[in-house]
Amino acid sequence: QITLKESGPTLVKPTQTLTLTCTFSEFSLRTTGVGVGWIRQPPGKALEWLALIFWNDDKRYSPSLKSRLTITKDTSKNQVVLTMSNMDPVDSGTYYCAHTAQRSIWGDRRCTDFDYWGQGILVTVSS
Amino acid sequence: DIQLTQSPSFLSASVGDRVTITCRASQGISSFLAWYQQKPGKAPKLLIYTASTLQSGVPSGFSGSGSGTEFTLTISSLQPEDFATYYCQHFNSYPLTFGGGTKVEIK
Repeated sequence: QITLKESGPTLVKPTQTLTLTCTFSEFSLRTTGVGVGWIRQPPGKALEWLALIFWNDDKRYSPSLKSRLTITKDTSKNQVVLTMSNMDPVDSGTYYCAHTAQRSIWGDRRCTDFDYWGQGILVTVSS
Repeated sequence: DIQLTQSPSFLSASVGDRVTITCRASQGISSFLAWYQQKPGKAPKLLIYTASTLQSGVPSGFSGSGSGTEFTLTISSLQPEDFATYYCQHFNSYPLTFGGGTKVEIK
């Protein structure tokens, strides 16, 4: 059974850099077609996709946050790390990591969804 | 960016009701749409991918349809455990986006 778990600070100060780690099991980022994404959710609000990294080190970012985000992987540790710089109170919320993998779709292989999610970590930005 | 607009944003229904939630994309996304269910304090759970494919283990009372710009999630007979918030999300191109959510509450 695939599992993911987020870890990192639950309280950061404005202007600081947030570093979150996603530790996963029962899959490998060495496997073709696999990716891990980060999604966040402010309290009481909708989900927002942040970033995604693939087995081949292809990286995708939300354009509105791209200048502040960095996503990396450590395949030997089964971890994906997300850093977000210059944190602001509006960045407070629950941060999730999630697994995606290519599916065979109409003769092609495409990622179509996030099928396994971590439990999330609540991050508060406050001085 | 592709915007996803869900309607309604809030829905009050009774156990046994048939419920339909709509997700409209600002441009065509083929069938690269997924639906998730989220309960308070929990991570989202994948229900449907590629617009109409039921994720393994999801009850058959859930179904999805649509392609292009208009999609629907239907719950054929609402069960007590189905009261939750539902989100659509596209995987057609980057950036990925989610809809604003539909909260299904008990009438």
